[in-house]
Order: sequence, then structure tokens, then C-alpha cells
Amino acid sequence: GEDVEQSLFLSVREGDSSVINCTYTDSSSTYLYWYKQEPGAGLQLLTYIFSNMDMKQDQRLTVLLNKKDKHLSLRIADTQTGDSAIYFCAETHYNTDKLIFGTGTRLQVFP
Amino acid sequence: NAGVTQTPKFQVLKTGQSMTLQCAQDMNHEYMSWYRQDPGMGLRLIHYSVGAGITDQGEVPNGYNVSRSTTEDFPLRLLSAAPSQTSVYFCASSPQIGADTEAFFGQGTRLTVV
Repeated sequence: GEDVEQSLFLSVREGDSSVINCTYTDSSSTYLYWYKQEPGAGLQLLTYIFSNMDMKQDQRLTVLLNKKDKHLSLRIADTQTGDSAIYFCAETHYNTDKLIFGTGTRLQVFP
Repeated sequence: NAGVTQTPKFQVLKTGQSMTLQCAQDMNHEYMSWYRQDPGMGLRLIHYSVGAGITDQGEVPNGYNVSRSTTEDFPLRLLSAAPSQTSVYFCASSPQIGADTEAFFGQGTRLTVV
């Protein structure tokens, strides 16, 4: 079955890098996503990676995928206070119509 | 485009009452879904629809009904509200699923059942 796990909290200093981790159990995942949720708002897509890729970079964001270990990470370079939010990883599978989310990681950035 | 619109934004219900959470999108998306968000549990899929007239159950469907009579609307019905259904509910839509497409979310409905 589908199970997506994340650590609940991460606290970093402004200007440092943040690394948010995600593990999933279903090896048939096709696309993996990172969404951001700001307080009182819905979720917005940050980036995604196809399962046959190892890495994707998009400005300050770097996504790493270790398919063997079923591990996904999101690195935010030069973290800013505006990056404080909850970050969700999510996955889809080629043989289902479901978008399954992880438990979410609350990132707090302090000056 | 308004995107995904959810109403109401806040609701308090008494145990046993029924109500419908509304969700509408104006992007002509085929795929729509409902999630509930609870602390420490992330977003859990309640029901989803791949097109008008087609619905299916997600991870936590019990106590909820959906219908999809039009492409635009995907209401979520609570048949007999229970305190365990206190949560924040999000509706989402996307052109398709399982691809490099974005799911667009509504602003959420905060429901309290007393």
C-alpha cells in the first residue's frame, strides 16, 4: 500500500540550507512532488521529479531521488524567512488515479 | 479564472447534523479530489473523481459521500457529522493525474463538529 513519511519539524537559520526528507513505500511511484503550504492557505506545487531521474534543480530548490532506498529530499539553498511553511511530498502511480501526500514537515526559519 | 473555490471557509456543526462542502473549479479539469488535513497526519484522500459521473474512494471515505454531475463541481457531503470529522478540508483539481501536472487547491474549509 501507499505510505509516505516525513519528519514533522525542521528549524534552520536564515541563509543556511534546509533539507527536507521524505520516504515512501511503493516502488511503483511514477511522479514525486513537493508542495508548499503557507499559513491559512491551500497547497502550491513547488517542483516535481519523474521516477527515472536522480536529481532536478530549479533555482534555489534541488530535488534528489534515491529510488533504491525510496527516499526523496528537497534542499532549499539560502533559506529565507518567507520559506517558513509546511512542505509536503506527494506521489502518484502509473496504475492508480490517486495523489498521495506525506505527513508534512513544518519548516521554521529564524533570523 | 477563479481557480478552485471552496465554500464555506468555516463551519461549526453539531454531532449528527449533515452538510455539504462545496467545491467548484473553472479550469475544465477532469480530475478532482477531496482531502482532510489533520495535525501530524498530513493530507489524507477522502474521495476523488476522474471525470463527470465517475467517483471513487480514497484512504478515508467513511462518513462522506460525493457526486460529480458536472465537470466543474465536486461537493462533499457529511451524512451525520461526528467529532472525529473535525478537520480542515481541501478540494483539489488537476488536468490529469499521474503526470507532470500541478494539482490546484482551494483555500480550505475549517470544520468543527461539537
